[in-house]
This record gives sequence, structure tokens and C-alpha cells, in this order.
Amino acid sequence: NAGVTQTPKFRVLKTGQSMTLLCAQDMNHEYMYWYRQDPGMGLRLIHYSVGEGTTAKGEVPDGYNVSRLKKQNFLLGLESAAPSQTSVYFCASSYDAGVSTDTQYFGPGTRLTVL
Amino acid sequence: AQRVTQPEKLLSVFKGAPVELKCNYSYSGSPELFWYVQYSRQRLQLLLRHISRESIKGFTADLNKGETSFHLKKPFAQEEDSAMYYCALKLHNQGGKLIFGQGTELSVKP
Repeated sequence: NAGVTQTPKFRVLKTGQSMTLLCAQDMNHEYMYWYRQDPGMGLRLIHYSVGEGTTAKGEVPDGYNVSRLKKQNFLLGLESAAPSQTSVYFCASSYDAGVSTDTQYFGPGTRLTVL
Repeated sequence: AQRVTQPEKLLSVFKGAPVELKCNYSYSGSPELFWYVQYSRQRLQLLLRHISRESIKGFTADLNKGETSFHLKKPFAQEEDSAMYYCALKLHNQGGKLIFGQGTELSVKP
């Protein structure tokens, strides 16, 4: 099992450019999440999905869009990148968030710099 | 509103000293709390959860509902414990999303 993987690992964008971050999991998890990690602010939830074909907004959704067309993939899109979106992006997945023993498994992160 | 607060950005101790990383939460429901750890250049991984009441790598954490705290403790710190530690609160009615604290960097010196 590869667990949760993220593509790419690093990316540098110019202001206004667009890009898509890919998260993939091979654990048959229903729930998937996108977080951003900024110094002094911990991790903040951008969007999440409770199943294939569904998405919902998290704490900081502005400037991002997501899609969950396949159960194993969760895509995060930036339509017009801004310097404020410079961050490290983590994807996570879990089997059943309603179960008390459920655990979120995290990907290795994508370091994005917007110039 | 739900919130997790870790008051210390950096905690520096010597090897063998006791460690306590503080975590306070604000939540109107029944809390489910976790500690995640991120070693240098690695992904976040679950350290422990309050519901399990277990000890992982010598760390323990007790939920104190009266003080709304979930402090992480270890009696004798090791150099390999140096890492970033995040306290997190799970929201059951919002897809199980986690609310994270700001994180505490633990540095254990030889």
C-alpha cells in the first residue's frame, strides 16, 4: 500500500497562473481532506469530501476548488494563484469519520510558492 | 466556536527532563481529541487519541473536561522526540474534520 500520495511535491507559480494538486489514496477510504499548513497557524481545512462525487467547504475555501470524481482521488485546484496561497498543502483520508477509532492518514505534502 | 489552542510555539528541554505540551480546547459537544506529530521532513502521523487512553512512545495525554485541556506528557524526553506536535479536535457533524492547534515545536537537547 502506498497510502496517501500527493503530486507534485514542489511547485513554483507566478501570480495568476493555475494549477491542480492531486491526492490519491489506495486504502478505499470514503473521506478525504485538503489542509494548508502555515507557520504559526497550524493546519487549516480548505475543502473536504465525504464520498465520491461530494465536496464541502472547510475553514479557508476561498480561491480553491475541488473535485472527487473517483473515490481514490481528490483534486485541489487554484484557478488564479495569489502570493497568499504560498503554503504547504496536505491531503488526508479516513475510512469512516463517524467511528470513534477512525484515523486521518496524511500525505507527504506539496510545497507551493506563488511569486 | 470550536477552537484549539497550543500556547507554546517552542518548547526546549534537555534529554531526560520531563515534557508537557499544553493543549486547550473550546467545543460545545463531546470532544474527541488527538495528538499528531510531524518529524522533520515527514508527514503528520497520529501519536495518540484520548479515547484510547494509551501510551505511545512514552507519551500520555489525559482529557480534562473541567479545564478543557488535553496536555501531552512524557516523563523523560529523548532526542528523537524533537518534532512538531499538533493537538487536534474532531468535529463529528462536519465530515469528521479536524481543527488543529497552532503547533508546538519540541526541541530536546543532548
